[in-house]
Amino acid sequence: GENVEQHPSTLSVQEGDSAVIKCTYSDSASNYFPWYKQELGKRPQLIIDIRSNVGEKKDQRIAVTLNKTAKHFSLHITETQPEDSAVYFCAALTGANNLFFGTGTRLTVIP
Amino acid sequence: DTGVSQDPRHKITKRGQNVTFRCDPISEHNRLYWYRQTLGQGPEFLTYFQNEAQLEKSRLLSDRFSAERPKGSFSTLEIQRTEQGDSAMYLCASSFGTGGRYSAGELFFGEGSRLTVL
Repeated sequence: GENVEQHPSTLSVQEGDSAVIKCTYSDSASNYFPWYKQELGKRPQLIIDIRSNVGEKKDQRIAVTLNKTAKHFSLHITETQPEDSAVYFCAALTGANNLFFGTGTRLTVIP
Repeated sequence: DTGVSQDPRHKITKRGQNVTFRCDPISEHNRLYWYRQTLGQGPEFLTYFQNEAQLEKSRLLSDRFSAERPKGSFSTLEIQRTEQGDSAMYLCASSFGTGGRYSAGELFFGEGSRLTVL
């Protein structure tokens, strides 16, 4: 199946700074790349996604970029706020419509 | 429809017992996924249904695990002869997809069923 690698595993930033999380995938047939935010004790929730026919997508303070040739994609959060603190997971949907997750990044925004 | 629901939310069992979890997806969703998540890790894929057909099973899913989605609606995940290593959060998610290359829909997760094997 797909192999999704994510880094860093932990990230601390000062409030107002930017945070970047990077992921790579192995299956060139993967075509959909969502990012999920998971707060402690809660379910993962989608924050942004990108499809393989698009290189970049932005939604307010959150943006995602995709490089299909290199098979990597990144999450960018600008003007971070304490409520952005959570675990973030990238994922890749294979051609067989199966979604594989990265190992997660624990983001801490320091007020 | 209030989203994906899972039952029970918590289950404590003794090693060797069987447990069954139920997932009710969002009603119009044709795809249903089961994941296992342990503390500090990402969700690990277990199995996936499109309508009532089980399309893929992870190598993680030993013979003790079985999943069904008999009418293409709710699904059950059964673990037989539980082991302490089965202790985890079992997450169900559903989505709608038409099958086209760029048609994948968002996966909506349930709250999960937390299993503790003593």
